[in-house]
Amino acid sequence: EVQLVESGGGLVQPGGSLKLSCAASGFTFSGSAMHWVRQASGKGLEWVGRIRSKANSYATAYAASVKGRFTISRDDSKNTAYLQMNSLKTDDTAVYYCTRTPLGYWYFDLWGRGTLVTVSS
Amino acid sequence: QSALTQPASVSGSPGQSITISCTGTSSDVGGYNFVSWYQQHPGKAPKLMIYDVSNRPSGVSDRFSGSKSGNTASLTISGLQAEDEADYYCSSYTSNTTWVFGGGTKLTVL
Repeated sequence: EVQLVESGGGLVQPGGSLKLSCAASGFTFSGSAMHWVRQASGKGLEWVGRIRSKANSYATAYAASVKGRFTISRDDSKNTAYLQMNSLKTDDTAVYYCTRTPLGYWYFDLWGRGTLVTVSS
Repeated sequence: QSALTQPASVSGSPGQSITISCTGTSSDVGGYNFVSWYQQHPGKAPKLMIYDVSNRPSGVSDRFSGSKSGNTASLTISGLQAEDEADYYCSSYTSNTTWVFGGGTKLTVL
């Protein structure tokens, strides 16, 4: 089955760190760019960042709101992408979705169910 | 990168057609044919409905169509059905090699 499964969400204090994982199955993970998109409760979708494939030098890009605090990485041997979140703020509280763009395309065709991150003291 | 502009809500009766607009700039919507649309039901993950402005993925009803003029893209749903009631988001690739979403539109089927 083609799917993405996020894990690692939870409660963290402001200023803390958390690392999310996204396990992929059913498709050629190594060829896909992987993205993270978040959604605060009752709010819209916000693109967080992406990592490209090895063929594209694992290039990363981030939204201005998280640049310098969040880092996306991947382990193609484990078919897993990661989102390392540091210096967390209460505004980072959201459901975090893992999604992919197929090779050579710019749309998100496969989404995980999301994992909730709550930043609160 | 500012969010793309969508109306907060639209509504229509079963069988009618509605159109949701998505306005950006020449650095995103107007500069690339990489606009996509997503449907999201409460508590669910988004679902791709339209990609590259006007293309439908396999399995998506042909009642959904997309278009673009200048800096504004549009999603049209014809023959409204109760199950179309959901939130809809547009997205575009940008000149900063990032992506941006619209603020979302809540569709109510009366």
